[in-house]
Amino acid sequence: EVQLVESGGGLVKPGGSLRLSCAASGFTFNTYIMNWVRQAPGKGLEWVSSITSTSSLTYYAASVQGRFTISRDNANNSLYLQMDSLRAEDTAVYFCARDRNFGLWGQGTLVTVSS
Amino acid sequence: DIQMTQSPSSLSASVGDRVTITCRASQFIRNDLSWYQQKPGKAPKRLIYSASSLPSGVPSRFSGSGSGTEFTLTISSLQPEDFATYYCLEYSGYPPTFGQGTKVEI
Repeated sequence: EVQLVESGGGLVKPGGSLRLSCAASGFTFNTYIMNWVRQAPGKGLEWVSSITSTSSLTYYAASVQGRFTISRDNANNSLYLQMDSLRAEDTAVYFCARDRNFGLWGQGTLVTVSS
Repeated sequence: DIQMTQSPSSLSASVGDRVTITCRASQFIRNDLSWYQQKPGKAPKRLIYSASSLPSGVPSRFSGSGSGTEFTLTISSLQPEDFATYYCLEYSGYPPTFGQGTKVEI
């Protein structure tokens, strides 16, 4: 089955760190651009970061630049998002999504930043 | 950065109605636009890509049109399962930008 499954969310204090994972299956992971998108409670969708198939290029939203790091492990069909210096405004459901036009999405993982 | 203006922000409709949602880009984006449906507590589902292409498995009552800066999602005959929030996304470059969303309610 073609799917993406996120994990790693949870409750973290402001200034803390968290690492999200996205496990891919059912397709040739190493040929696709991969993305992270988030959705704050009751709000719309916000693009967070993207990485090319070979990790040669990475892109970040201005709101997370310098605090978040996207990476991937093609041998293990996995995508990651290292989130440091977390703020209350980073509280959201984080989705991973496949390819340039975000054609396949995972179910999301909730990150709550609160003291 | 490109801005996407989506309208309306919400609409009320009935089963069988024809529904139209519009997205306007602040710059030329060719046809690099997708549409998504999201139901509460669920991940978005892509309905349209490249402005007018329908992925396999998406009902034919959904259609997309437009290019350049003006784009439209049309639901030809609204079904009960179509009550949801709809988003456009332009992906012509980085950062990709989502529209603000349109909530379709009864």
